[in-house]
Amino acid sequence: AQKVTQAQTEISVVEKEDVTLDCVYETRDTTYYLFWYKQPPSGELVFLIRRNSFDEQNEISGRYSWNFQKSTSSFNFTITASQVVDSAVYFCALSEARTSGSRLTFGEGTQLTVNP
Amino acid sequence: DGGITQSPKYLFRKEGQNVTLSCEQNLNHDAMYWYRQDPGQGLRLIYYSQIVNDFQKGDIAEGYSVSREKKESFPLTVTSAQKNPTAFYLCASSRDLYMNTEAFFGQGTRLTVV
Repeated sequence: AQKVTQAQTEISVVEKEDVTLDCVYETRDTTYYLFWYKQPPSGELVFLIRRNSFDEQNEISGRYSWNFQKSTSSFNFTITASQVVDSAVYFCALSEARTSGSRLTFGEGTQLTVNP
Repeated sequence: DGGITQSPKYLFRKEGQNVTLSCEQNLNHDAMYWYRQDPGQGLRLIYYSQIVNDFQKGDIAEGYSVSREKKESFPLTVTSAQKNPTAFYLCASSRDLYMNTEAFFGQGTRLTVV
């Protein structure tokens, strides 16, 4: 069965610090997809990134970067020079290709608080 | 603007009542989903639908029912059989069920049993 673990329940940083959110996953599939979503206080989930299991290239988008390592089954998310607006709950999620596509299994989320 | 609309934003239910949560999308997406979120927990899948008039149980379907009579609409009914319905409910849609595309979420409905 697929599983996603986000061991950090809460993280608190001061503005401009870098912060890394950890995500470890379990799957028996060789083809799978990993996602990160942001949930601001308003409640809706905002899509950040999607990565398939065959693409281990790290990605950078502005202040955000993602480190995908199949060897350790991890897909960590780093925010550089954090800002107060980054405060939110961040979810890592996994979708297995063999189990009807877009069904997502979510981790428990990491509450990030960026203090001024 | 394209998106997903959930209503109401807040809903109060008395013990023994059925309530229906609305979810409408104008993204022309085939697949739609209902998730439940409890404090400090991730999202758990209740039901999903790939096409009109078809839907499948997710991981926690007991006490819930859905319908998919139109592509745009996927309402969720929380029945009296659901023993602990107080939670935050999120509706989502994606282009289809097999491409592993990203899902788009509504703003959620917070249901409280009084």
